[in-house]
Amino acid sequence: GNSVTQMEGPVTLSEEAFLTINCTYTATGYPSLFWYVQYPGEGLQLLLKATKADDKGSNKGFEATYRKETTSFHLEKGSVQVSDSAVYFCALSDHYGGSQGNLIFGKGTKLSVKP
Amino acid sequence: EADIYQTPRYLVIGTGKKITLECSQTMGHDKMYWYQQDPGMELHLIHYSYGVNSTEKGDLSSESTVSRIRTEHFPLTLESARPSHTSQYLCASSALYQGGSPLHFGNGTRLTVT
Repeated sequence: GNSVTQMEGPVTLSEEAFLTINCTYTATGYPSLFWYVQYPGEGLQLLLKATKADDKGSNKGFEATYRKETTSFHLEKGSVQVSDSAVYFCALSDHYGGSQGNLIFGKGTKLSVKP
Repeated sequence: EADIYQTPRYLVIGTGKKITLECSQTMGHDKMYWYQQDPGMELHLIHYSYGVNSTEKGDLSSESTVSRIRTEHFPLTLESARPSHTSQYLCASSALYQGGSPLHFGNGTRLTVT
């Protein structure tokens, strides 16, 4: 079945460091891919998305490119800030079967950015 | 401003009590969901709905039940709370089948059963 695997955390970085959070997926067909962010005490928010191969999603300095050949959707940011401290979830949208449109989430990666 | 509202934010309740977690959205979304989030942050889909009078069980078996009498409202009920139900519960909504519609989440209800 469809699945998402993302790197385990926690990840601790200094302010202005480069961030990569790896995400790979297994899917039938051509899923849409997402990154969500959850700040402390809040629900998840959509950070960015990509709906087809080679699409690049970007928002708030974060980027991720839909790589079909490597089945990956790695999240990157060139210079993290303390305010980026949160839990990040990679997800894919299941377009097939009885649960069309349901998201399959990775287990989340907690990021802590130190000043 | 949140478009999807969950109440209460925090609830501490004794074993055996009946509870209802409320979720409402103002976006006119057909699809709604309930997720249980464990302390390790992992999300588990426990219920979802395609629209009025539709309810489906998710990937994680749950003793809770849901109803969908109005498009905007998707309450979750536990008939008899137990300590194993202690968790964070997140409600979400989305448009129906738009090439991977993003989910909009509420801020969650943190439930503690003593």
